[in-house]
Amino acid sequence: QKEVEQNSGPLSVPEGAIASLNCTYSDRGSQSFFWYRQYSGKSPELIMFIYSNGDKEDGRFTAQLNKASQYVSLLIRDSQPSDSATYLCAVFMDYGGSQGNLIFGKGTKLSVKP
Amino acid sequence: GAVVSQHPSRVICKSGTSVKIECRSLDFQATTMFWYRQFPKQSLMLMATSNEGSKATYEQGVEKDKFLINHASLTLSTLTVTSAHPEDSSFYICSAPQYTQPSYGYTFGSGTRLTVV
Repeated sequence: QKEVEQNSGPLSVPEGAIASLNCTYSDRGSQSFFWYRQYSGKSPELIMFIYSNGDKEDGRFTAQLNKASQYVSLLIRDSQPSDSATYLCAVFMDYGGSQGNLIFGKGTKLSVKP
Repeated sequence: GAVVSQHPSRVICKSGTSVKIECRSLDFQATTMFWYRQFPKQSLMLMATSNEGSKATYEQGVEKDKFLINHASLTLSTLTVTSAHPEDSSFYICSAPQYTQPSYGYTFGSGTRLTVV
């Protein structure tokens, strides 16, 4: 069964620190990886996606992908209390042709303390 | 960017009644719509996949006669919870591939909080 694993947390960091969120996936053939942020009672919103090995930076966010280790992470620099949310890792499983599905991890709850 | 409009955002209904949730893709065509359910403090669980012009595909354990999905057009998909019971109370979210290539990720609707009393 294809799976996406995340530590459920909660992960607590002080304001201004770097928050590191990790995710592993089981399907070695996966090509597309996403990080979503979900505030309590709201639907997920896309933060970043990454396709290639290495780092991808967007503002305070950096996504890191290591396909050999089947590992993807999200770093949040200068964490703010407004970053407190659940972060969902998602991996696109390609079934061939135009079919596929986005498989979500259970999410890591991040709490940034002022 | 692509937007999926979902409503109602909240609904309270009596046990035994039916509730319809609508998701519309704005300024793009959604040939596929995914329907998720999320219980408190749990992850998103895919319920079913609707495809315009064909029958929906349901995940294992999801009753297709209870959760009726219709994908009538390229911009509208609906989920009807029939004969709702308190255990159906949950957060229902739709999502559609953001671009023509599905691996670009999905755009989510704003979700519907269903409470069955």
